[in-house]
Amino acid sequence: DGGITQSPKYLFRKEGQNVTLSCEQNLNHDAMYWYRQDPGQGLRLIYYSQIVNDFQKGDIAEGYSVSREKKESFPLTVTSAQKNPTAFYLCASSIGGTYYEQYFGPGTRLTVT
Amino acid sequence: SQQGEEDPQALSIQEGENATMNCSYKTSINNLQWYRQNSGRGLVHLILIRSNEREKHSGRLRVTLDTSKKSSSLLITASRAADTASYFCAPRGNEKLTFGTGTRLTIIP
Repeated sequence: DGGITQSPKYLFRKEGQNVTLSCEQNLNHDAMYWYRQDPGQGLRLIYYSQIVNDFQKGDIAEGYSVSREKKESFPLTVTSAQKNPTAFYLCASSIGGTYYEQYFGPGTRLTVT
Repeated sequence: SQQGEEDPQALSIQEGENATMNCSYKTSINNLQWYRQNSGRGLVHLILIRSNEREKHSGRLRVTLDTSKKSSSLLITASRAADTASYFCAPRGNEKLTFGTGTRLTIIP
């Protein structure tokens, strides 16, 4: 099955700990994205990558970090510097740049207490 | 960043009725996309309309685009319970990507 996967579905962490969210795609897409969604809100862009070994900050990059060492993988680390990390995190990919339709993973719900 | 604003924020209709939701945006676009999100799930791409198109159909979906008014509408005909979801528009131009807060559609059986 082609698609985009995120793991785990639910993640619980104590405040002050870094946590890494996984995102993998087998669609052979060049571009990948991370979004954050808070209850009743839209999606806000955290980071995006249009090609391996390159990524750009989105609107709310502070307290987050990413890497893009392989085309199929775009992990997101939520650091202890992120003041309010509890949210629903969505990863997406697209065949090309920002004009193309995006394919989304099922999301990871992170709870930090 | 380019953000679409959907209207209304929430819409409840009887099954079988048509649902219309609107999107407004601020700057020039290359295309505009509509997505659906079921509760607690990822978004699913529904339809893309290019800036030089005025109307597009896909099954029970009809999308219109008026670039002079910087607005788009999504019509879902003959609604079904399974259409209950949030719908987001995504105007795509030269600015950073983002999505609006969406229209929450509830289909009443």
